[in-house]
Amino acid sequence: GIQVEQSPPDLILQEGANSTLRCNFSDSVNNLQWFHQNPWGQLINLFYIPSGTKQNGRLSATTVATERYSLLYISSSQTTDSGVYFCAVGYNDYKLSFGAGTTVTVRA
Amino acid sequence: DTAVSQTPKYLVTQMGNDKSIKCEQNLGHDTMYWYKQDSKKFLKIMFSYNNKELIINETVPNRFSPKSPDKAHLNLHINSLELGDSAVYFCASSQATGGGNIQYFGAGTRLSVL
Repeated sequence: GIQVEQSPPDLILQEGANSTLRCNFSDSVNNLQWFHQNPWGQLINLFYIPSGTKQNGRLSATTVATERYSLLYISSSQTTDSGVYFCAVGYNDYKLSFGAGTTVTVRA
Repeated sequence: DTAVSQTPKYLVTQMGNDKSIKCEQNLGHDTMYWYKQDSKKFLKIMFSYNNKELIINETVPNRFSPKSPDKAHLNLHINSLELGDSAVYFCASSQATGGGNIQYFGAGTRLSVL
């Protein structure tokens, strides 16, 4: 199956800092999503981004499909950004393979 | 209104018991999923149904049996529970449009097998 690698595994930020999370994948995909799992366990879809760039408030994402990677940018981080960020990729309409996640801790 | 709802939120049970987790979505989606998240937070798909038809069945013990009475519901029944079944189980739904699908997750069911 398709392999998904996320880096870094852990990230500690001071409130207000910017950061970049990376997702590398091993094969062509037609579906790529970023999720945030908050400290209460809820999984929230942040972006559907199989290619190109999108922005949503302080978050933005870029996927370079030809080079098989995606980046998630967090700007002006807040404590509510803490949690685990997952990248998930798919090569058909239904099946998503998840990376191991990046655990982000934002300190006040 | 909760888009994807799972019940129960917590489930504590003894080894060998049989239990069910229910999932309902009110988004009008035609595809539903069950995922398992282990203690290291790794998420792996177990099953997927599209319009009540099983379309994904990963390598899961046959003690796990999904049932989809209609496209808004996907339940998961687990027989003869084992210690290794302890995990968080997530239900999700999506509307596959040919250009990919955005998956929406329920809040999860934390299963503890003692």
